[in-house]
Amino acid sequence: DTAVSQTPKYLVTQMGNDKSIKCEQNLGHDTMYWYKQDSKKFLKIMFSYNNKELIINETVPNRFSPKSPDKAHLNLHINSLELGDSAVYFCASSPSGSPTPTDTQYFGPGTRLTVL
Amino acid sequence: GEDVEQSLFLSVREGDSSVINCTYTDSSSTYLYWYKQEPGAGLQLLTYIFSNMDMKQDQRLTVLLNKKDKHLSLRIADTQTGDSAIYFCAETIYGGSQGNLIFGKGTKLSVKP
Repeated sequence: DTAVSQTPKYLVTQMGNDKSIKCEQNLGHDTMYWYKQDSKKFLKIMFSYNNKELIINETVPNRFSPKSPDKAHLNLHINSLELGDSAVYFCASSPSGSPTPTDTQYFGPGTRLTVL
Repeated sequence: GEDVEQSLFLSVREGDSSVINCTYTDSSSTYLYWYKQEPGAGLQLLTYIFSNMDMKQDQRLTVLLNKKDKHLSLRIADTQTGDSAIYFCAETIYGGSQGNLIFGKGTKLSVKP
């Protein structure tokens, strides 16, 4: 019954590796997001997709590539991982992606990425 | 530019009221939100207020908005230990990127028994 799920929950890897984080929502929402929360708990949007189309792409290194195979999934692939990529990554979804409270964003539980 | 500021820590005793404050810079904000993040969990929307409102009450939660000073506060009445969490203030901008939430850095609320 989980609305927004992410896998894995924890990811520990070496610098230079390539890794992916998966996100799935079963709410029938059109828009999905990736947020990064750093060690100081600062939360910032990275990407959003609406119906598999990229809408927001904040200033994020191009080592980060989102992929949306269908509107229920938004995966995050990271190439050549760096120490500074260590953070908690949250996936979220909302019905339409418009900036109104009726378009509440539902968050996943987060993926804690540690780069050694 | 867009910026949302919050104090980082607040400690209260169980049963007292908690007031978490937030300031924002963009005067074209349309909606302002409060999210709660419990340890190891994602963010949960608590409440929101439209920028043309002054106050909104929802059970133990009261949101006050001073648009002139760009100041938002969240008051939690009769604070319980289960309210211990990080509280994020967030805004969306009229005409901004679709669904783009700007978050503050979060206020960690500790409730002592």
